[in-house]
Amino acid sequence: QQQVKQSPQSLIVQKGGISIINCAYENTAFDYFPWYQQFPGKGPALLIAIRPDVSEKKEGRFTISFNKSAKQFSLHIMDSQPGDSATYFCAASRGNFNKFYFGSGTKLNVKP
Amino acid sequence: GAVVSQHPSWVICKSGTSVKIECRSLDFQATTMFWYRQFPKQSLMLMATSNEGSKATYEQGVEKDKFLINHASLTLSTLTVTSAHPEDSSFYICSAPDRGLSEEQFFGPGTRLTVL
Repeated sequence: QQQVKQSPQSLIVQKGGISIINCAYENTAFDYFPWYQQFPGKGPALLIAIRPDVSEKKEGRFTISFNKSAKQFSLHIMDSQPGDSATYFCAASRGNFNKFYFGSGTKLNVKP
Repeated sequence: GAVVSQHPSWVICKSGTSVKIECRSLDFQATTMFWYRQFPKQSLMLMATSNEGSKATYEQGVEKDKFLINHASLTLSTLTVTSAHPEDSSFYICSAPDRGLSEEQFFGPGTRLTVL
């Protein structure tokens, strides 16, 4: 059973546009929701993370929106740039020190 | 920031041989490390939790006798793929939580294993 569902599978955005990636989870015990960026052949790198006590967190061009009642969270990339072209994974865990359950990934292509 | 390294970054081996992959936390101690496997264009799937000083905990469907994990010190965990077969070819990634200053979990750069 997939613990975290992610959509869309792929996304094409024009430079300067907004990229939106969505995730949903089932386990209400999850309390840590990070987003990772991965370039081909590299390990994932933490972009931004949120805990369920807040509904939104913003860091630079990246924003997480969190809806606890719907068990959904999303990543918004504002002013998308070609350098943002990568695969993005959402994840969920019980605390940031425990094992992560990853979404299926979204391949983002930002066209110049 | 905290760094997790993996060695080697890529390895090619013949079918039937064993391969050891190292995961090191470079500037923090990690009592727990996690091993993930990622097939091309797929997500990261947790294989096992490596515990310093005790046996690893394997996820359902992962053969513990095939994927040997040893957490020998607070900064090193090793994954040995025994009797490797072509279907074991994958990208293996480790992660380690830093319970100190950063309170984040850091991922290694990954090891690409190709079994011929």
